[in-house]
Amino acid sequence: EDKVVQSPLSLVVHEGDTVTLNCSYEVTNFRSLLWYKQEKKAPTFLFMLTSSGIEKKSGRLSSILDKKELFSILNITATQTGDSAIYLCASPGAGSYQLTFGKGTKLSVIP
Amino acid sequence: DVKVTQSSRYLVKRTGEKVFLECVQDMDHENMFWYRQDPGLGLRLIYFSYDVKMKEKGDIPEGYSVSREKKERFSLILESASTNQTSMYLCASTPWSATNEKLFFGSGTQLSVL
Repeated sequence: EDKVVQSPLSLVVHEGDTVTLNCSYEVTNFRSLLWYKQEKKAPTFLFMLTSSGIEKKSGRLSSILDKKELFSILNITATQTGDSAIYLCASPGAGSYQLTFGKGTKLSVIP
Repeated sequence: DVKVTQSSRYLVKRTGEKVFLECVQDMDHENMFWYRQDPGLGLRLIYFSYDVKMKEKGDIPEGYSVSREKKERFSLILESASTNQTSMYLCASTPWSATNEKLFFGSGTQLSVL
């Protein structure tokens, strides 16, 4: 059975801090790993990672994949209150159309 | 931009009622999904469809059915709503090619069953 595990499940930081969110996976025939941000509404796509060791970056957010150790991290530098959200990690299952999701990390950024 | 529209943002129903949740996407995607999201459990797949009139069970299909009569529309049906189906329901679609497994989500329907 495919598994995606995120840690921590929740995190409270002050504005300006840097945070690292973790995602480990056990997925048959791994193809990709995706990160989403969910505020009050729909999860919105952040990154899709397929190659090990190549960092994807978008503003203050960056993510990297380690296919040998089977994990990914999402870094957010200089956090702002607008970064408060649930961050979801997911990976496609073997031979199917499904994404297996982790339970998410709830990030709260306080002023 | 891809738009996935769920018909209701909030819905309150009574136990035993038949409930329809509607989802429409405007990007001609082949694949559509219904997830439910509960605190501490994350997103769990209920059903998905990879073509018109085709459907596959996800991880938690019990108590639900689906309908896909047109490519753009995917409906989730609760035949007889129960209190344990109180949840946030998210619809998603994707073209699902070898190079694009990104899901596009709707805004969700928060269903309360009393």
